[in-house]
Amino acid sequence: EAGVVQSPRYKIIEKKQPVAFWCNPISGHNTLYWYRQNLGQGPELLIRYENEEAVDDSQLPKDRFSAERLKGVDSTLKIQPAELGDSAVYLCASSSPGRLAGVGEQFFGPGTRLTVL
Amino acid sequence: AQSVTQPDIHITVSEGASLELRCNYSYGATPYLFWYVQSPGQGLQLLLKYFSGDTLVQGIKGFEAEFKRSQSSFNLRKPSVHWSDAAEYFCAVGSYNNNDMRFGAGTRLTVKP
Repeated sequence: EAGVVQSPRYKIIEKKQPVAFWCNPISGHNTLYWYRQNLGQGPELLIRYENEEAVDDSQLPKDRFSAERLKGVDSTLKIQPAELGDSAVYLCASSSPGRLAGVGEQFFGPGTRLTVL
Repeated sequence: AQSVTQPDIHITVSEGASLELRCNYSYGATPYLFWYVQSPGQGLQLLLKYFSGDTLVQGIKGFEAEFKRSQSSFNLRKPSVHWSDAAEYFCAVGSYNNNDMRFGAGTRLTVKP
């Protein structure tokens, strides 16, 4: 079974430029998460999708960040314009309801390391 | 809201020695607790999880963790560390429907030969 796929793995851009990250979750996983992991910190949730619906985007900086999951499968996270403070690793994860509904394990992709110069 | 504290930023142990990584959580209801490991340049891999039942849970790679409700702790242990265990370890607490998982800041493990 293929894991969570993310691309690109690394991205270097100048500030004020746009950038996009792509995630393809594990087949059949209806829940998709985007996290941001700053250096030396744990991941912090940006947005969570249930199928194509964003059910929790309370931590997403909506002035510059946007996300979509149009067909309830793969997803794109965009930053426009990027700022120096956006340098971080952006992780995508997916899950499906476990045997006990709601306690499904989250499977993580390798992440995209963004550097904003 | 739930939160997780990992008191140790960095731990160094000798290969073959035992390991204990500390995790304290704050959560008002029944916690769902996880330990993940992250190797450099990699995503997070689940080591083990606790939802209910036996408070001592076994995970992959020889790791175990013990849930102690009275201490609000979920410490990770391994009796004999291997050089390949060097990585970053994250404790996390989630809710029943897994919609608000909070991670600790992580503990970086270095293994000396």
